[in-house]
Amino acid sequence: SQQGEEDPQALSIQEGENATMNCSYKTSINNLQWYRQNSGRGLVHLILIRSNEREKHSGRLRVTLDTSKKSSSLLITASRAADTASYFCAAGAGQGAQRLVFGQGTRLTINP
Amino acid sequence: DAGVTQSPTHLIKTRGQHVTLRCSPISGHKSVSWYQQVLGQGPQFIFQYYEKEERGRGNFPDRFSARQFPNYSSELNVNALLLGDSALYLCASSWGLAGFFSYEQYFGPGTRLTVT
Repeated sequence: SQQGEEDPQALSIQEGENATMNCSYKTSINNLQWYRQNSGRGLVHLILIRSNEREKHSGRLRVTLDTSKKSSSLLITASRAADTASYFCAAGAGQGAQRLVFGQGTRLTINP
Repeated sequence: DAGVTQSPTHLIKTRGQHVTLRCSPISGHKSVSWYQQVLGQGPQFIFQYYEKEERGRGNFPDRFSARQFPNYSSELNVNALLLGDSALYLCASSWGLAGFFSYEQYFGPGTRLTVT
């Protein structure tokens, strides 16, 4: 069963605008990872944020993590048409073995 | 460096048949994990292997099995296929196991399995 939840389920914005996606999870985690998926193909790793980190940047991506609220957000700034994809957060938990628990994803559409 | 590779890309099987999916991790990575992604949902964890040993198993029936070879490549086997096994099967590799350090998991392109 899915333990993570992304919000919103779908988001449509104009090119150049910023996109914010939220993620909630239920278990204690070691880390939280964000992925992008285009048209049912493989997942592209975007960023990993550790449980002792609060914010992380990578290019146009900004991720925040609030372990007290069990939530994370992904901000994509200055969106481009190529950013159109599904975005998933995955909570990494466990010691000695790491299973990623994914949410249902957010479908992001960037309109030119 | 090459990323995670999976074969075959697509596969069509009949109910009751058996299937073997293959995965080669990124060079230097010792851990391989398998996930099942049903259309419209996020991936679900099936197995994790590290140094040829099973280190984690998700909530899947015994019809699902896997193994890891000395070169760290892996196979996922599914017996007695059901229509509900139709999905995208994803392999992910990482350098190590979780613990004090966290490691990124990198995914392959997946194998699309259709059971008719």
